[in-house]
Order: sequence, then C-alpha cells, then structure tokens
Amino acid sequence: GAVVSQHPSWVICKSGTSVKIECRSLDFQATTMFWYRQFPKQSLMLMATSNEGSKATYEQGVEKDKFLINHASLTLSTLTVTSAHPEDSSFYICSASTTGSYGYTFGSGTRLTVV
Amino acid sequence: SQQGEEDPQALSIQEGENATMNCSYKTSINNLQWYRQNSGRGLVHLILIRSNEREKHSGRLRVTLDTSKKSSSLLITASRAADTASYFCATASQNAGKSTFGDGTTLTVKP
Repeated sequence: GAVVSQHPSWVICKSGTSVKIECRSLDFQATTMFWYRQFPKQSLMLMATSNEGSKATYEQGVEKDKFLINHASLTLSTLTVTSAHPEDSSFYICSASTTGSYGYTFGSGTRLTVV
Repeated sequence: SQQGEEDPQALSIQEGENATMNCSYKTSINNLQWYRQNSGRGLVHLILIRSNEREKHSGRLRVTLDTSKKSSSLLITASRAADTASYFCATASQNAGKSTFGDGTTLTVKP
C-alpha cells in the first residue's frame, strides 16, 4: 500500500533556529501534500496544501513566512519552521494524495520541541 | 470551527463491549474517513466511505454515513485493550479536496 515517510520523528531545537521536516511518498507520486499541526489532546489543524511545482496554499492564520513549504518533486515536500519559538512546539504531520484517489496517506509525524 | 465534530469526546468501556463514536459535519462532502491515532503517533487510516455509500465494514469496524443528517458513526465491536486510542473523522469536501478533521474521540478500553 501507499507509504509516506516523515523525517525526523522528533527534534529539539533552540529558539531562533530553523528546522526542516521532510515528507516523502515512497511508492506513489504525491500530486498534493498537506501539512497539519496538532497540539496535545487536540485535533489536527490543516496548515497548508501544496501541489507539486507550485506555491503552497496556506490556511487562514498560518504565517507563510514562518512555515515555509516546498513541494519540488512528486515524492517530496518539506516544511521549514523558521526562527522557531517555544510556542511552535507541536506535533506536525504530513499527508499525501495522488490524482484520482479518494484517500490520504499520513506520515508518522514529527514532534518538535523548541527550547 | 471544525468541519467535523465527534461525540463523545471521551469513551471508556470494558474489553469485549462495543464502542460507538459519532461524527457530524457541516458542508457537502466527497467522502468521509476515520482514522486512529495512538498517543504521540501518526494517524492510521481505518476506513473511507464515499458520499454515495451508506454503510461499510472492515473487520470489527462498521461505519455508517447519513448525508441527509450530515453524520457518520464508527462502531468497533468486541473491543480490545489494544483499541485504546483517539479516533478522528475527516471529511473531504467536494470542492477543496482537502480533509478537515473533527476533534476526536478518546477511547479507553479497560482489560
């Protein structure tokens, strides 16, 4: 079945630094990838939608200059949290879908802790 | 507000009992999916039901969809302690193609 690999699974960084999270579709071409954020004991909030080769579409309230998304190929999307602050600490999850499919495959998530 | 809203928010049952979770949504959908999430982990896709389907089964899971009421239910039969997790419904809209998640139901199955 479709597999999405997300890396790293956890990361601790200092305030002010940037962190890059990768999301790869291993056995299918992901025309669209989604990035979600989840706070403890809460649901997933969609941050942005990215289509291969074009700019990401951000949800209202999400700072596009802070959360940089790149979807340069059909198998890789990256989320870079720039100048991270403790309030950016969260669980980030990507998902991917391909043209014509109805379902989405999720990565295993990245736990970001900013100290 | 969230497109999907699950209830109950938390459910605690004994092993062997059935667990029913409900999800309501607001707008027209293309499909609805149920996911499971163990604490601190990613989401695992359980089942997808299309807008033209009313019921679907997968092992011990049974999902219903009532588009007139904009609601869905997930039934887990003969629950096991290993079913302890959070369960989310997600709707894919007809236009946007993105999924919107409900708040989730935290299920605890006591051995």
